[in-house]
Amino acid sequence: GAGVSQTPSNKVTEKGKYVELRCDPISGHTALYWYRQSLGQGPEFLIYFQGTGAADDSGLPNDRFFAVRPEGSVSTLKIQRTERGDSAVYLCASSLTRTSGIPSRYGDEQFFGPGTRLTVL
Amino acid sequence: AQSVTQLDSHVSVSEGTPVLLRCNYSSSYSPSLFWYVQHPNKGLQLLLKYTSAATLVKGINGFEAEFKKSETSFHLTKPSAHMSDAAEYFCVVSAGGISGGSYIPTFGRGTSLIVHP
Repeated sequence: GAGVSQTPSNKVTEKGKYVELRCDPISGHTALYWYRQSLGQGPEFLIYFQGTGAADDSGLPNDRFFAVRPEGSVSTLKIQRTERGDSAVYLCASSLTRTSGIPSRYGDEQFFGPGTRLTVL
Repeated sequence: AQSVTQLDSHVSVSEGTPVLLRCNYSSSYSPSLFWYVQHPNKGLQLLLKYTSAATLVKGINGFEAEFKKSETSFHLTKPSAHMSDAAEYFCVVSAGGISGGSYIPTFGRGTSLIVHP
């Protein structure tokens, strides 16, 4: 079946511009995550959706970053007034559900998209 | 709070020799632990996961990892490296519980596996 897709694959923009990055999760996956991966680093959590609501946005670096998931499927990460430090690969992942309490046998397995490489000049 | 330390930024092996990628974690709760692999220009792929069942976990492509609570480790091993194993590997911890924790995954910085012919 289709995996997680992200568009565009590459985005080059100028400092100060606004960008939108899109994520199409696996059909039926209720949980959706956004991460940012800088060169030589592991993915860094940004925001997590359960359904349409942002259940945890503690990883968003500042108020220039915002994400939506209006119908509980596709999500858009929005970055206003981009800065050169925003340059990174932005990863999206989805999972069937989110466990709570004792870890379940599902273990929060996430399926990742290929990422969007954002370059801010 | 939780964290992951991948002890080696690079590991270099010859094809056909064993692979050991080290990972230590800290967590206030019973953790789920994962290893992901990232090939160049490809998405992260799950290799294996530990979720409080058997402590020795077998994954895809001949990889396995052992959860050792006393050592807070989850090292990744493979008996014989293949050229196609060359990639970046990430150890991940996700933890929470009735009394707290968020289950937000924390990634290590990654270990680059280099395989020589």
